[in-house]
Amino acid sequence: AQKVTQAQTEISVVEKEDVTLDCVYETRDTTYYLFWYKQPPSGELVFLIRRNSFDEQNEISGRYSWNFQKSTSSFNFTITASQVVDSAVYFCALSEGGRNTDKLIFGTGTRLQVFP
Amino acid sequence: EAGVAQSPRYKIIEKRQSVAFWCNPISGHATLYWYQQILGQGPKLLIQFQNNGVVDDSQLPKDRFSAERLKGVDSTLKIQPAKLEDSAVYLCASSRDRDTEAFFGQGTRLTVV
Repeated sequence: AQKVTQAQTEISVVEKEDVTLDCVYETRDTTYYLFWYKQPPSGELVFLIRRNSFDEQNEISGRYSWNFQKSTSSFNFTITASQVVDSAVYFCALSEGGRNTDKLIFGTGTRLQVFP
Repeated sequence: EAGVAQSPRYKIIEKRQSVAFWCNPISGHATLYWYQQILGQGPKLLIQFQNNGVVDDSQLPKDRFSAERLKGVDSTLKIQPAKLEDSAVYLCASSRDRDTEAFFGQGTRLTVV
């Protein structure tokens, strides 16, 4: 069965610190997609990234970077030089059936608090 | 481009009452999803539409929940009768098709007392 585990319930950092959010997944599919979403206090889920199971290249987008390691079934997310505006709940998710967005399986989320 | 619109933002009802939530997806998006997010948990898919047809409703409690998307655009999710455990945020999302990323609305926070 598909499952996403985000073991870190809450992380607190001071502005400008780097922070890594962990995500471990389980799936029997050979083709699957992984996602990260940000949920600010306003409530909507903001799409950050999707990665397919055949692409293990790390990705960097500004202060955000993602490390996908199939060998350990992990898809970790790092924020460099964190800012107060990064404070939110971050969800890692996995899609079933090899399609991009069908039936996302979400983890329980990691609440990130960045203090000035 | 306007985002996914949901209403109401908040709703408080007593158990055994009925409630309905409305979602207007992004224009041109064929796929529409309803998720339930209980406090402290990740969202869970309740139902997925492709145009006006249901793709997946395997996790929808059909004895009390119903959803429709009659014209393939707006959608309504109904709970009748509500239970205390239905207290959650109900998120609507849409995507251009099943192969593109989903965009979420701000959700409706339901409290059942």
